[in-house]
Amino acid sequence: QKEVEQNSGPLSVPEGAIASLNCTYSDRGSQSFFWYRQYSGKSPELIMFIYSNGDKEDGRFTAQLNKASQYVSLLIRDSQPSDSATYLCAVAGGTSYGKLTFGQGTILTVHP
Amino acid sequence: NAGVTQTPKFQVLKTGQSMTLQCAQDMNHNSMYWYRQDPGMGLRLIYYSASEGTTDKGEVPNGYNVSRLNKREFSLRLESAAPSQTSVYFCASSGRRGARTDTQYFGPGTRLTVL
Repeated sequence: QKEVEQNSGPLSVPEGAIASLNCTYSDRGSQSFFWYRQYSGKSPELIMFIYSNGDKEDGRFTAQLNKASQYVSLLIRDSQPSDSATYLCAVAGGTSYGKLTFGQGTILTVHP
Repeated sequence: NAGVTQTPKFQVLKTGQSMTLQCAQDMNHNSMYWYRQDPGMGLRLIYYSASEGTTDKGEVPNGYNVSRLNKREFSLRLESAAPSQTSVYFCASSGRRGARTDTQYFGPGTRLTVL
């Protein structure tokens, strides 16, 4: 089992819809969870992080964390074509103290 | 404030050649990291440096060496390049290693092809 798993997609949603990106992790000691966005040919850029159970909102983005289920998600409301990118989930803490373990990424396409 | 910079942006090597990838950060961060990214594989940690003067292996260190030259600079060396090292290499830095809010910031990447 991979340490951090994401559905590689591609996930295709229409403009204005909610995009839901999911990530599961195997290390129960993990403490922090990060979502990065990566445009084609570019470097990853941080969208947001979460470390407490529940929801965390930042503009059109909401991160959701459920440690009991070892599950973290990212919701993008009012999706725009400019949101089309690869979304990387990363996990820190536990056996990976001070390091990030990345999932393979989910490709999101928002079509007009 | 340039953040994390990497040189070169592109490089083509022949099998057996050596090269050094350079990385520098101006955010006064203690920790620096080298990753490689291959299609469908996500980012995999090659080496990291928790602080100036220390380096440690990550998930895929074979075939690479690193040097933490000072607090700002962290280089990655390929002594004898192999086609399996064809990849995109990213350097990252962070300022609060181990803290729950520690965030890594990435450089623009180096696209390396080994023929």
